[in-house]
Amino acid sequence: EVQLLESGGGLVQPGGSLRLSCVATGFTFSHYTMRWVRQAPGKGLEWLSAVDLSGSLTYHADSVKGRFTISRDNSKNTLYLQMNSLRAEDTAVYYCSKGGGLHYFDYWGQGTQVTVSS
Amino acid sequence: QTVVTQEPSFSVSPGGTVTLTCGLTSGSVSSSHHPSWYQQTPGQAPRTLIFNTNIRSSGVPDRFSGSILGNKAALTITGAQADDESDYYCVLYMVTAMVFGGGTKLTVL
Repeated sequence: EVQLLESGGGLVQPGGSLRLSCVATGFTFSHYTMRWVRQAPGKGLEWLSAVDLSGSLTYHADSVKGRFTISRDNSKNTLYLQMNSLRAEDTAVYYCSKGGGLHYFDYWGQGTQVTVSS
Repeated sequence: QTVVTQEPSFSVSPGGTVTLTCGLTSGSVSSSHHPSWYQQTPGQAPRTLIFNTNIRSSGVPDRFSGSILGNKAALTITGAQADDESDYYCVLYMVTAMVFGGGTKLTVL
């Protein structure tokens, strides 16, 4: 059974940093593109970042480019999202997702809450 | 900047059929965008329904179907049930990014 378990969320002050983790089980982690998606309170889903199988190619949405960095450790079956220079508008539930090939989201974690507030 | 458009809300009667659409503010949606569809109920993670335009994800009932209608992607629910009341999101693949539509809130009543 595919499982994705996010952690690392919490309350952080504006300008601060957090690193989210997503531990994957139930599939061969190194064989799949992985992605992060977020959802602000009362809003829709927003794609943030993607990383290829090896971790050498990464993509980020314009809204987080230069502030957020996606990475992966295939030896630990873990996906990361390093978030710097956090803003109030980054407050959201953050989901990791297993890529179903290149073109869609296959499985989703339950999400981790990030709140940016002073 | 291209935006992915969805109806903000839709209503369907139990047992009825509804088609939700997914378009672009500039241009047409085609199979090369690999449209996919996701269902989300409040407080829950999204669930994958349809990918690559019309392929149902594992375990998704066949009352859900995807297609291209004109210049938009479409999700059709045939024989709507009460537990289909959810938010529905489409996603278009743009090579270096994946873009969500704003979502459609479906009410079954």
